Amino acid sequence: KQEVTQIPAALSVPEGENLVLNCSFTDSAIYNLQWFRQDPGKGLTSLLLIQSSQREQTSGRLNASLDKSSGRSTLYIAASQPGDSATYLCAVTKSYDKVIFGPGTSLSVIP
Amino acid sequence: NAGVTQTPKFQVLKTGQSMTLQCAQDMNHEYMSWYRQDPGMGLRLIHYSVGAGITDQGEVPNGYNVSRSTTEDFPLRLLSAAPSQTSVYFCASSSRDREAFFGQGTRLTVV
Repeated sequence: KQEVTQIPAALSVPEGENLVLNCSFTDSAIYNLQWFRQDPGKGLTSLLLIQSSQREQTSGRLNASLDKSSGRSTLYIAASQPGDSATYLCAVTKSYDKVIFGPGTSLSVIP
Repeated sequence: NAGVTQTPKFQVLKTGQSMTLQCAQDMNHEYMSWYRQDPGMGLRLIHYSVGAGITDQGEVPNGYNVSRSTTEDFPLRLLSAAPSQTSVYFCASSSRDREAFFGQGTRLTVV
């Protein structure tokens, strides 16, 4: 059974710091991995999608990497800003009916 | 751009009542799905659809029905509400191999 974990569960950093969020999964036979952002009381916003054949994706200050063999993905946020404060979720897709979300990392960026 | 629209945003039901959560997307996506999000449980897949007329069960389908008569709409029906169905419900849509778009959620309380 695929299990997805995220470390740390919560993170507080000063503005301007670079940071890394971690996502681990137990079954390496995945179709893709996606990182989402969720603001309190809101829906999920897709940040980056990495196909199983890819190693990384970049969007602005965000960079996500994927290492299927070790069952790991990292989300790197450069020069963090208070507006980055949110919960970050990773989701692993094995097939369309097997989308497993991690529990999320709650990020707080202090001005 | 409307994206994925869910209605209602909030709902209180009495045990045993039935209701339909509405979900509509205007991006011509073939894939649509329903999730519930609960504290400590994360996001779990209820039902999904890979196209009009095609639906299937996800991880937690009991107590819910879906139908997909058009590409745009994917309603979720609660047949006889139970307190265990108190949750936040999210609808999502995507195209194959592309990022998923989520609605803003429906907060349901069953008393």
